[in-house]
Amino acid sequence: TQLLEQSPQFLSIQEGENLTVYCNSSSVFSSLQWYRQEPGEGPVLLVTVVTGGEVKKLKRLTFQFGDARKDSSLHITAAQPGDTGLYLCAGALDFGNEKLTFGTGTRLTIIP
Amino acid sequence: KAGVTQTPRYLIKTRGQQVTLSCSPISGHRSVSWYQQTPGQGLQFLFEYFSETQRNKGNFPGRFSGRQFSNSRSEMNVSTLELGDSALYLCASTRGPGSYNEQFFGPGTRLTVL
Repeated sequence: TQLLEQSPQFLSIQEGENLTVYCNSSSVFSSLQWYRQEPGEGPVLLVTVVTGGEVKKLKRLTFQFGDARKDSSLHITAAQPGDTGLYLCAGALDFGNEKLTFGTGTRLTIIP
Repeated sequence: KAGVTQTPRYLIKTRGQQVTLSCSPISGHRSVSWYQQTPGQGLQFLFEYFSETQRNKGNFPGRFSGRQFSNSRSEMNVSTLELGDSALYLCASTRGPGSYNEQFFGPGTRLTVL
């Protein structure tokens, strides 16, 4: 059983469109992170959210942590080809021993 | 500040052999974690080392082992390689406890087992 489920698994949209990626779990996390991975490289940290209901913005990317700290979403406005990549959420169950569990991943393709 | 480096970048081995992968963390980072990434299973946690001690371990067989040196550099070893061990092996470093375990990844070692 996967602890963190991401949806959709694959997403292909036109440049300029908006999209939302979801990360869901039945477990409560002390913190949650989002990463983006491009081919041939390791994942790169985008954001960390730690408070239930927290919203963080990174240019055209908006991240939200659910009120109960069981889920998170990533919204991209006016997607660009440079947004293409594998998006991974990762949660830590315990503060102080932050072993991360990674989600199943969303492979995003932005078509020019 | 230099990022996480991993060597080698690519490796081809045959079943039954063993392999050692190396990771140098970001300067000042004391925690190193290892992950296996495959298309079918995604990113799976192998183990984490902090101050030369294994702090966490994932659900992998004993053929997978690791260690960390006093300079925080880490190695992982896989013995008696199986075809299913073909994967991208990623190393990540963090500052240590209290940093929300934000991972800084290296580019990975692509292992192919024939």
